[in-house]
Amino acid sequence: DVKVTQSSRYLVKRTGEKVFLECVQDMDHENMFWYRQDPGLGLRLIYFSYDVKMKEKGDIPEGYSVSREKKERFSLILESASTNQTSMYLCASSVSGTGVSEAFFGQGTRLTVV
Amino acid sequence: GENVEQHPSTLSVQEGDSAVIKCTYSDSASNYFPWYKQELGKRPQLIIDIRSNVGEKKDQRIAVTLNKTAKHFSLHITETQPEDSAVYFCAARGSNSGYALNFGKGTSLLVTP
Repeated sequence: DVKVTQSSRYLVKRTGEKVFLECVQDMDHENMFWYRQDPGLGLRLIYFSYDVKMKEKGDIPEGYSVSREKKERFSLILESASTNQTSMYLCASSVSGTGVSEAFFGQGTRLTVV
Repeated sequence: GENVEQHPSTLSVQEGDSAVIKCTYSDSASNYFPWYKQELGKRPQLIIDIRSNVGEKKDQRIAVTLNKTAKHFSLHITETQPEDSAVYFCAARGSNSGYALNFGKGTSLLVTP
């Protein structure tokens, strides 16, 4: 079974803090993704990575950065947290190659910025 | 980038009826179209997917159809059951986004007994 694990289920942080969200997958997947989920807005792509040390901006990268130093780990960084970054954050991973590529999701981190 | 529109945003059906959710996409080069189900408080999970070289795929009570010319695809659930109640997301993999999926905004399906 593919396992994608996010380090925290719930986080409460103060405005201006630097926040790290961690994600680990155990299936040797090349691709990893960070999405943000808000009611009525679906899942929006923040950043993704297709290899170690590689990163690509998604649709809403402003205010976020990422780090991928090891294949199994993909971190999302909020440089200076703001209240509008209060949201559910979902990490996902998938394998590369032609054809279908199911994305497997972590359990999500609900971040509240106060 | 790829833009995915999903309708309706909410859908209520009686148990045993069919449910249909429709999505459109913008990138004609998109080649992979999965559907995810997210139950309350849980992570999204893949329920069915279709590649661009196939027009229809079925798995028991669920089916997906793809019209590449019109750039739309649909999820069909027959003989709905209360446990089908969840939020459903369609997605498309665009040509310029690597393996990233672009998701629709979701459909909240309620199946009433």
